[in-house]
Amino acid sequence: GAGVSQSPSNKVTEKGKDVELRCDPISGHTALYWYRQSLGQGLEFLIYFQGNSAPDKSGLPSDRFSAERTGGSVSTLTIQRTQQEDSAVYLCASSLDNRGETQYFGPGTRLLVL
Amino acid sequence: SQQGEEDPQALSIQEGENATMNCSYKTSINNLQWYRQNSGRGLVHLILIRSNEREKHSGRLRVTLDTSKKSSSLLITASRAADTASYFCATPAPSGTYKYIFGTGTRLKVLA
Repeated sequence: GAGVSQSPSNKVTEKGKDVELRCDPISGHTALYWYRQSLGQGLEFLIYFQGNSAPDKSGLPSDRFSAERTGGSVSTLTIQRTQQEDSAVYLCASSLDNRGETQYFGPGTRLLVL
Repeated sequence: SQQGEEDPQALSIQEGENATMNCSYKTSINNLQWYRQNSGRGLVHLILIRSNEREKHSGRLRVTLDTSKKSSSLLITASRAADTASYFCATPAPSGTYKYIFGTGTRLKVLA
């Protein structure tokens, strides 16, 4: 069975460019999470989806960050006008229900902004 | 501020020894989870313990929860080199059960 997949695995971009990160959750999982992890740090919550709606966007660092989820499945995290401080690993996780218990993580996208 | 914080930040032991790491949290919770992360990539769920449980086992893992002290511990017995990883505890955010707050993790190195 397929787990959570994320693409690209690695992304190098220039400061000021926009990037799109993709997450394919496990089929049937209704909850989807995005986290950010800087080098050697813990996970920083960004946004949570229940189905296609995002009841909690409180973790998005700035208005340059946005995310959407379509068809209750694939999600994209978009960072506009990237800055060097956006460099991090972006992790996606899905959960069977909305309680967030037992989250299944993807391998992450390592973003480097030059 | 962090809901869950792990201690120690780093731990180095010999293969075959036991490894213990701790997690402290601030507010009342209904469950606590432990995750493992290898090489800075995706996390793997290890175990969930509920607030009405004091201890839980899974293979070589033993997790305890002391709600009066707001702390949990993860014990890995007879450690192996493959256990080398970072270990995180996750607790529900005070605002709701769907949002979990992860600590900064304990980096475990098991020497062969």
